[in-house]
Order: sequence, then C-alpha cells, then structure tokens
Amino acid sequence: KQEVTQIPAALSVPEGENLVLNCSFTDSAIYNLQWFRQDPGKGLTSLLLIQSSQREQTSGRLNASLDKSSGRSTLYIAASQPGDSATYLCAVRGGTYKYIFGTGTRLKVLA
Amino acid sequence: DAGVTQSPTHLIKTRGQQVTLRCSPKSGHDTVSWYQQALGQGPQFIFQYYEEEERQRGNFPDRFSGHQFPNYSSELNVNALLLGDSALYLCASSLGQGILDEQYFGPGTRLTVT
Repeated sequence: KQEVTQIPAALSVPEGENLVLNCSFTDSAIYNLQWFRQDPGKGLTSLLLIQSSQREQTSGRLNASLDKSSGRSTLYIAASQPGDSATYLCAVRGGTYKYIFGTGTRLKVLA
Repeated sequence: DAGVTQSPTHLIKTRGQQVTLRCSPKSGHDTVSWYQQALGQGPQFIFQYYEEEERQRGNFPDRFSGHQFPNYSSELNVNALLLGDSALYLCASSLGQGILDEQYFGPGTRLTVT
C-alpha cells in the first residue's frame, strides 16, 4: 500500500531564503508525482508534474526533483516571498488512476 | 479558458440528510475525480469518472455515489450524512487517456454536517 509522507509538517522562514520541502513515498512503482499549493480553505493549485521517466521539472522559482529508487521528491523554492505562504502537498500516482496525497507542509514566509 | 468549477461553495446539512455536489471540468478535459479533505489532512480519493462510468473507487462506503454526464460534468451524492462527512470536497479534472494526466482542481465545496 502506497504511503506518502511530507516532512516537516510546518516551516517558518524569513523572506529571501531558499528552501526545500520533502516528500517520500513507500512504493517506487509510480507513474508520476505532482506538487500542489493550497491556500487556507481553498482548492489546490498545480505547481509541477514530474513523469516517472523524468528527474526534475522547473517553473520560475520552483524546481522539483524525483528519485524513484529512493522514494523521494523535493520541491525547491528560491528566494522565498511572503506570497509563497501556503500548504504544499505532493501526490503520487501508481498503476491505478488515483493519486495518493501526503498531509502537506505548512509554509510561512516572514516579511 | 474556464477552469474547474464547483457548486455550491458552502453547504450545511443535518445528520441523516442527503447532499449533491456538482463539478464542471476544465475545458477539454473528460475525466473527473472526487476527493475528500478533512481539516489538516491531505485529500483522500473517493472515485473517478471517465466516459460516464466509475473507473476507480477509493475506500469510501456506498453512501458515496456519483454520476458523470455526457458533457463531462459530474455530481457527487452522499446519503445518510454523518458528522464525520464534514470536510472540503474537491473535484479534479484531467484527460482520461493522455500520458500527461496532470490534475486540475476546483475551489472545493465546504460541507458541514450538524
């Protein structure tokens, strides 16, 4: 059974800092992995999708990497801003159609 | 280009009642998935609809049912509501047969059961 873990559960950093969010999964047989952002009480905004054959994806200040063999993905945020404050969720899709989500990392960027 | 829309935004129901939530997928998408997100938790997969059929189901009781219409929009029905059904219900759309099945989520429906 696939399990997804995100550590830390919460993170508070000063503005301008570069940071890394971690996502680990127990079954390496995944089809893809997707990172999302969620603002309080809102829906999810897709940030990056990494196919199983890819090692990383980049979008602006965001970079996501995938290491299937070790069951890990990281989301790197460069030069963090207060507007980056949100909960970040990772989700993996295995051989089925459903995505398994982690419980998220709550990020607060202090001005 | 319209994204995923959901209605209603908020809903308050009493235990034992029934509720219907609605979702319209992103333009060009043909697949709809429903998720339940309890406070402080990640979303949990309920089921996915493709070509008007339930293609996969998560670990939810039969009280949770759904439907997909020919225009790809979808409904989630929950019968005999329990207090524990209080959650944010999220709809996600994607392309059913594509390799790049990136999911796009709607704003959610906040259901409160009293």
